[in-house]
Amino acid sequence: GQNIDQPTEMTATEGAIVQINCTYQTSGFNGLFWYQQHAGEAPTFLSYNVLDGLEEKGRFSSFLSRSKGYSYLLLKELQMKDSASYLCAVRDRRYSTLTFGKGTMLLVSP
Amino acid sequence: DTEVTQTPKHLVMGMTNKKSLKCEQHMGHRAMYWYKQKAKKPPELMFVYSYEKLSINESVPSRFSPECPNSSLLNLHLHALQPEDSALYLCASSKAPQGAPSSSGANVLTFGAGSRLTVL
Repeated sequence: GQNIDQPTEMTATEGAIVQINCTYQTSGFNGLFWYQQHAGEAPTFLSYNVLDGLEEKGRFSSFLSRSKGYSYLLLKELQMKDSASYLCAVRDRRYSTLTFGKGTMLLVSP
Repeated sequence: DTEVTQTPKHLVMGMTNKKSLKCEQHMGHRAMYWYKQKAKKPPELMFVYSYEKLSINESVPSRFSPECPNSSLLNLHLHALQPEDSALYLCASSKAPQGAPSSSGANVLTFGAGSRLTVL
């Protein structure tokens, strides 16, 4: 089975940097994904890590440490539209399916 | 076309009704998924189809019946649902089916906007 843990809520101000952490325990790790979900909308893909290290995509970066079962999503130059839920998801090695964490609700204030 | 289209967007049904949710993608993806999402909860996997065949059923009650008529379409037939089945039902697709070699983009899920179901 898989156990994924991330903070429930975070707040930050416009223009700031925020780091959303995710820890996981899994019997067969085969990649970690970050998705963004605005209220009432579909999750949209942000980033993917399968090897240790940092992946950067514009204002978003994601880091993975497989030995520590740890990832984070870094959001820079926060904008109001970044207010959303951020879902950490781990891919199972055997079935290639995704299991999602409970999500972190990020509120960006002016 | 880079979208997954779900209909209807909203559905209200009684416990004795029979209804269906529909999902369509034209990205050539060979895996399609149904997820259920309750308010303020993460999506939970229900079913996976690979090459139009059901490959995973996450112990979903039989009142939910999936169907994959072809590689572009995925249906979820609903019958005798309970109020606790009210949720957002998300369809997703990915390029690679279950068991395919993993690469950076192969198993990225593309989600539809969802069908919000209310069971009275």
